Amino acid sequence: GENVEQHPSTLSVQEGDSAVIKCTYSDSASNYFPWYKQELGKRPQLIIDIRSNVGEKKDQRIAVTLNKTAKHFSLHITETQPEDSAVYFCAASGGTSYGKLTFGQGTILTVHP
Amino acid sequence: NAGVMQNPRHLVRRRGQEARLRCSPMKGHSHVYWYRQLPEEGLKFMVYLQKENIIDESGMPKERFSAEFPKEGPSILRIQQVVRGDSAAYFCASSPSGSIRSYEQYFGPGTRLTVT
Repeated sequence: GENVEQHPSTLSVQEGDSAVIKCTYSDSASNYFPWYKQELGKRPQLIIDIRSNVGEKKDQRIAVTLNKTAKHFSLHITETQPEDSAVYFCAASGGTSYGKLTFGQGTILTVHP
Repeated sequence: NAGVMQNPRHLVRRRGQEARLRCSPMKGHSHVYWYRQLPEEGLKFMVYLQKENIIDESGMPKERFSAEFPKEGPSILRIQQVVRGDSAAYFCASSPSGSIRSYEQYFGPGTRLTVT
């Protein structure tokens, strides 16, 4: 089955800096890669996603890049703000794992004012 | 447009009792997924259902756990004879069907199960 590795496990930045979180996946047939933000005690919220026919997608301050050959994808947050502080999860789906999401272990992002 | 609804939000059960967790998907969504999140860990897939069908239950423990999504009413995750290790947050997600957006899963607020 699919396996997703996420790094780093914790990330601390100053307000205004950029933050990058990276994930690798094992199943080359996976074709859908969402990112979720989870605040303490809250539900995971879908913030951006990318499909395998696209190399990059951007939405305001967040962007995701995908390298299918290397089987890795990354989340980029620019001009970070304190309200970006949360746990971020990457996930992969599709191929032999159609429907279910396989999540990475999560990254605790702290943005210091 | 109401999001995914789950109830109860918090559930306390003694060891050996049964826990029933309910999930109502977003309007227009016919796919339901259940995930479990242990304290300070990631989300683990349990089961994927469509109306009256279990599509993938590869993440569901073989014993004590069952799930259903009947033609009418919410999806139910049932845990029989709960043990302390079942204490976790259980999240339900739903996605639309028959469209390019069928991959997108939207999560409910979760049910936090505590087994004493």
